[in-house]
Amino acid sequence: DAGVIQSPRHEVTEMGQEVTLRCKPISGHDYLFWYRQTMMRGLELLIYFNNNVPIDDSGMPEDRFSAKMPNASFSTLKIQPSEPRDSAVYFCASSPLGPAGELFFGEGSRLTVL
Amino acid sequence: AQSVTQPDIHITVSEGASLELRCNYSYGATPYLFWYVQSPGQGLQLLLKYFSGDTLVQGIKGFEAEFKRSQSSFNLRKPSVHWSDAAEYFCAVGVGGQGGKLIFGQGTELSVKP
Repeated sequence: DAGVIQSPRHEVTEMGQEVTLRCKPISGHDYLFWYRQTMMRGLELLIYFNNNVPIDDSGMPEDRFSAKMPNASFSTLKIQPSEPRDSAVYFCASSPLGPAGELFFGEGSRLTVL
Repeated sequence: AQSVTQPDIHITVSEGASLELRCNYSYGATPYLFWYVQSPGQGLQLLLKYFSGDTLVQGIKGFEAEFKRSQSSFNLRKPSVHWSDAAEYFCAVGVGGQGGKLIFGQGTELSVKP
């Protein structure tokens, strides 16, 4: 079975550039989550969707970050403009149950902003 | 406030030795409980989970965990560690029911000595 698929796995960009991260959740999972992982802050929930609708975006750091889920099989996380402090690993996860249940994680997108 | 504490940032054990990773939580009711493992450059993989019932739960890769309500703990154990178990381990607590949220601990990094 295919798991959660994220792309790109690695992204190096320069400050001020737009970054788009992509995620394909597991088919049949109604919930999709975007997390950010850094050494300093650990795992942070940025936003999650239920049936393609954003439910909680309180973790999105600022207006430079936006996320969309145009259909049940695709989501994007966009950073525009990017800054060095955005450097982190961004994980997408999906779940059949809900935000407090078992999550299935992708392998992550490592972003480096120079 | 709801929180998850993993007191040990880094643990080193010898191959073949037993392992116990600690996890304590603060929450007014019985939460959903999870342990995830993250190998370098990979996403998080679920080791085991507790929702209700038997407080000793078995997981993959020979791991088990015991929920102790009186101690608000959910410690992870393995009787004999293998070199391939070297990774970062995250305890997570689901609060507020299925529609609530998942709180991750800061993680414990496990090193295995030959």
